[in-house]
Amino acid sequence: EPEVTQTPSHQVTQMGQEVILRCVPISNHLYFYWYRQILGQKVEFLVSFYNNEISEKSEIFDDQFSVERPDGSNFTLKIRSTKLEDSAMYFCASSLIQGMGQPQHFGDGTRLSIL
Amino acid sequence: AQTVTQSQPEMSVQEAETVTLSCTYDTSESDYYLFWYKQPPSRQMILVIRQEAYKQQNATENRFSVNFQKAAKSFSLKISDSQLGDAAMYFCARLRGKLIFGQGTELSVKP
Repeated sequence: EPEVTQTPSHQVTQMGQEVILRCVPISNHLYFYWYRQILGQKVEFLVSFYNNEISEKSEIFDDQFSVERPDGSNFTLKIRSTKLEDSAMYFCASSLIQGMGQPQHFGDGTRLSIL
Repeated sequence: AQTVTQSQPEMSVQEAETVTLSCTYDTSESDYYLFWYKQPPSRQMILVIRQEAYKQQNATENRFSVNFQKAAKSFSLKISDSQLGDAAMYFCARLRGKLIFGQGTELSVKP
């Protein structure tokens, strides 16, 4: 069964450094998402992406964050200048279409630790 | 506010028994979709079951079923014949373009 893959599984970065989290969505999916889960808390929506542009973003997704689909297969989340509070599990998800009950398929996540 | 609430932070069940996890949500829409996701210690997010609000019939997926009460905006998950592998965090979610998750319920299964 096709799956969403995320790399790396664990990223350790110094505060203030830039980090790029990578995702390969399911190949025929058109909608892509990033979610964040701070340890012990619920999963929170960050951003959705369709047709090479952001379709929705949350309050968390400020100017420090950006997303890109650089080559038609990868979908990346960049955090420009990391802060301690960015430490979390970051999940990429994809869906064939948006809404209409289409489930979002999640990757295994990237654990981001900011020192 | 478009919220999803899971009022049980932790639940415990004996192996082979049945357990029900509660979820309520808030929405002004008449047609929407609800999901339960399972997050084992590995922290993957695994889709368990899906319910379409316009369908009155409760969704069932093997040992997993839901009790969907649209008027009450309630969407509980029933796990029958609980197995050790069911131990995980369970998140209820409503789809509104993005997924809006509840706080989660940590389920432990006792042998």
